[in-house]
Amino acid sequence: RKEVEQDPGPFNVPEGATVAFNCTYSNSASQSFFWYRQDCRKEPKLLMSVYSSGNEDGRFTAQLNRASQYISLLIRDSKLSDSATYLCVVTPWGNEKLTFGTGTRLTIIP
Amino acid sequence: DVKVTQSSRYLVKRTGEKVFLECVQDMDHENMFWYRQDPGLGLRLIYFSYDVKMKEKGDIPEGYSVSREKKERFSLILESASTNQTSMYLCASSSPSLAGAWYFGPGTRLTVL
Repeated sequence: RKEVEQDPGPFNVPEGATVAFNCTYSNSASQSFFWYRQDCRKEPKLLMSVYSSGNEDGRFTAQLNRASQYISLLIRDSKLSDSATYLCVVTPWGNEKLTFGTGTRLTIIP
Repeated sequence: DVKVTQSSRYLVKRTGEKVFLECVQDMDHENMFWYRQDPGLGLRLIYFSYDVKMKEKGDIPEGYSVSREKKERFSLILESASTNQTSMYLCASSSPSLAGAWYFGPGTRLTVL
């Protein structure tokens, strides 16, 4: 079983819609969780951290479910510029090596 | 502005050649990492370093070595390049004081013929 699993998609979503994807992790000792965004032919960039209490940043909401070992990302009122691959990232010690999911590809359609 | 740079965006080498990939960060970060990214496999950690002259193996270190002689520079070495090392190589840096904020370089797309 992979340490971090994501649905690869692609998710093709009309502009303005709400889209959500999940990511499951296998190591119950995982401590820190993040969503990264990677545009085509670009490097990954931190989108947001995922806190136990859930967190929101504008149109983006991230949540953590430790009992079921998954994290989620919700994007509301999607924009064309949200088209990218979203990478789920976990790490056991907060700032050591990252373990990446393979990413979920999102395309927002006009 | 935070910056991680990599020596080449594109590189073509022949089987058996020794290949050096250089990464430099200007943020005084303690931690540096080398990943490779392949379709369907995602990013996989090759080596990482928490300090000058120290290194730790990641998940796929075979066929690679690293060097960190200065804090800002982390080099990835392919001693004898093989075709299965054709990939996108990404360097990253981070600091323990900035939890979650890993900064990636633009990547080097290496093709081994």
